[in-house]
Amino acid sequence: AQSVTQLGSHVSVSEGALVLLRCNYSSSVPPYLFWYVQYPNQGLQLLLKYTTGATLVKGINGFEAEFKKSETSFHLTKPSAHMSDAAEYFCAVSYNNDMRFGAGTRLTVKP
Amino acid sequence: GAVVSQHPSWVICKSGTSVKIECRSLDFQATTMFWYRQFPKQSLMLMATSNEGSKATYEQGVEKDKFLINHASLTLSTLTVTSAHPEDSSFYICSVTQGANTEAFFGQGTRLTVV
Repeated sequence: AQSVTQLGSHVSVSEGALVLLRCNYSSSVPPYLFWYVQYPNQGLQLLLKYTTGATLVKGINGFEAEFKKSETSFHLTKPSAHMSDAAEYFCAVSYNNDMRFGAGTRLTVKP
Repeated sequence: GAVVSQHPSWVICKSGTSVKIECRSLDFQATTMFWYRQFPKQSLMLMATSNEGSKATYEQGVEKDKFLINHASLTLSTLTVTSAHPEDSSFYICSVTQGANTEAFFGQGTRLTVV
């Protein structure tokens, strides 16, 4: 069975500061990992994904994540936060169409 | 990627009535669609996997007689909340994937309020 743990249900940063959202996964098989963003009253949008190959994955809106097998982590980062980045972020792990989501991290960006 | 349209985006209904939510895959034939439920400030909980032409596969604890899923075609799945009660009020989201281990594409969600 697969599962995802997101450390920190709420992260607050200042505009221009580094964003770091943490995700650790548990999977008995090579994982397929995803980060999604959700704006209020909307569905989820894919930010980035890791399937195979390069462990540093770049996504939309300047976000990137690094797959670290030894740490079973897939943390999401962005060098400089924008106000528009304020949203809910979900890490997910998938295997054979079984996708499981973390509890989510709400990112607040202060001016 | 696939374009998924969910309708309605919000609905208010009286207790005891039934509500149908539609999920359409506009540009992709989806043999499988997924239905999630999301409570305020919480994550998505998978309710069921909708399979075209066959019965849905429900997650443990989800009442299949209350949450009726019909996947009549490759582009349409419906979720009917029967005899709705206030505790059924929630945000319901559908998704499709274009194959195993690929990303999911989500509908915009339906906010159901039962009064």
